[in-house]
Amino acid sequence: DAGVIQSPRHEVTEMGQEVTLRCKPISGHNSLFWYRQTMMRGLELLIYFNNNVPIDDSGMPEDRFSAKMPNASFSTLKIQPSEPRDSAVYFCASSTPTGTAYTGELFFGEGSRLTVL
Amino acid sequence: GENVEQHPSTLSVQEGDSAVIKCTYSDSASNYFPWYKQELGKRPQLIIDIRSNVGEKKDQRIAVTLNKTAKHFSLHITETQPEDSAVYFCAASEGGADGLTFGKGTHLIIQP
Repeated sequence: DAGVIQSPRHEVTEMGQEVTLRCKPISGHNSLFWYRQTMMRGLELLIYFNNNVPIDDSGMPEDRFSAKMPNASFSTLKIQPSEPRDSAVYFCASSTPTGTAYTGELFFGEGSRLTVL
Repeated sequence: GENVEQHPSTLSVQEGDSAVIKCTYSDSASNYFPWYKQELGKRPQLIIDIRSNVGEKKDQRIAVTLNKTAKHFSLHITETQPEDSAVYFCAASEGGADGLTFGKGTHLIIQP
């Protein structure tokens, strides 16, 4: 398995622009998580989905942030409009929480490093 | 919600010595406590985890202990090696399909 795949790996944009980050979870995993990592705040859970349904988005910082999961193999995190304080590494992770296969382990993608100028 | 505190933020030890990282959590319903290792520029990866029905778990040079009464858990690395240098994160969750709440991380430096 190729693991969790994220794109783009690096994104540099100007303040006010729209940013879309993409994630493909591991096949068969039915939970997907978006985390943001900064030096100051560490790893923060933004939102997670179970079976493509958003369960908890209380970590989404503002209305400028939105996330979708239209099917089991694809999710997006969108920031519109972007601001310099959104600069961070955004990680997508997936896991298998149901049935006997559940281990609780999160499998992280390589991350998308976002720089907003 | 859950709150996880992790200490120290930076830990420097001599190669071959032991390292201990400690975490506390706030939600008594949490029952799953993993530890992740993140090397510079890489993704976090699970190194060991423990569930609330177990007090201690060991895997070669690493071990984790859990005290549910006091709501704290610790990571122990023995005979440290240069490749142990990384940032280590503890986390907690109620299990199931919930997301993990992470501590702020500990930068472990192994001095040659």
